[in-house]
Amino acid sequence: SQQGEEDPQALSIQEGENATMNCSYKTSINNLQWYRQNSGRGLVHLILIRSNEREKHSGRLRVTLDTSKKSSSLLITASRAADTASYFCATVLYNNNDMRFGAGTRLTVKP
Amino acid sequence: GAGVSQSPSNKVTEKGKDVELRCDPISGHTALYWYRQSLGQGLEFLIYFQGNSAPDKSGLPSDRFSAERTGGSVSTLTIQRTQQEDSAVYLCASSLLGEPNLRGRAYTGELFFGEGSRLTVL
Repeated sequence: SQQGEEDPQALSIQEGENATMNCSYKTSINNLQWYRQNSGRGLVHLILIRSNEREKHSGRLRVTLDTSKKSSSLLITASRAADTASYFCATVLYNNNDMRFGAGTRLTVKP
Repeated sequence: GAGVSQSPSNKVTEKGKDVELRCDPISGHTALYWYRQSLGQGLEFLIYFQGNSAPDKSGLPSDRFSAERTGGSVSTLTIQRTQQEDSAVYLCASSLLGEPNLRGRAYTGELFFGEGSRLTVL
């Protein structure tokens, strides 16, 4: 079963705008990770945030985690056409090391 | 190569045939995951191997699906008597455990994915 759910399912923006994607999950986690997927093949890791962290940055990426609301957000600032891809959140559950993925957000950045 | 390698990259088979999909993880990675992704969908967890522990098979959709990991390295996912609904991309990923927490427990860190095996059942 899937643990996380991303919102929105699809997002279309203009180059230069910011893109925000949200992820909600159901059970206690050890960490939450965001991944990017191009063309329906292998996923690439973007960022990992631990359950005791609230915010993390990596280049143009900003991730927040609210464990009380069981939610996370991924912000991509100053988007580029090359950011067009599907973005997935994944959770590592507190009681085991399974990693479960959400259904993803399809981001389209128009030049 | 240094990454996760999957083979075949594409497989077309007839309904009822058995297929084997192979995954070569990154050397030294103790954890190995299999996922299935149907067109335009998210990743469906299938099975998880961690070191010498018993695998977590809770995601396997039916008894036609099985997987093994020999010598803690290469893994094979086998689908018997394939059905059309088995058509999907099968993704393999490997990882190391992260730094132990204050209780001495280590959790999964970054997953490294292969490019997947696209299975088409006619």
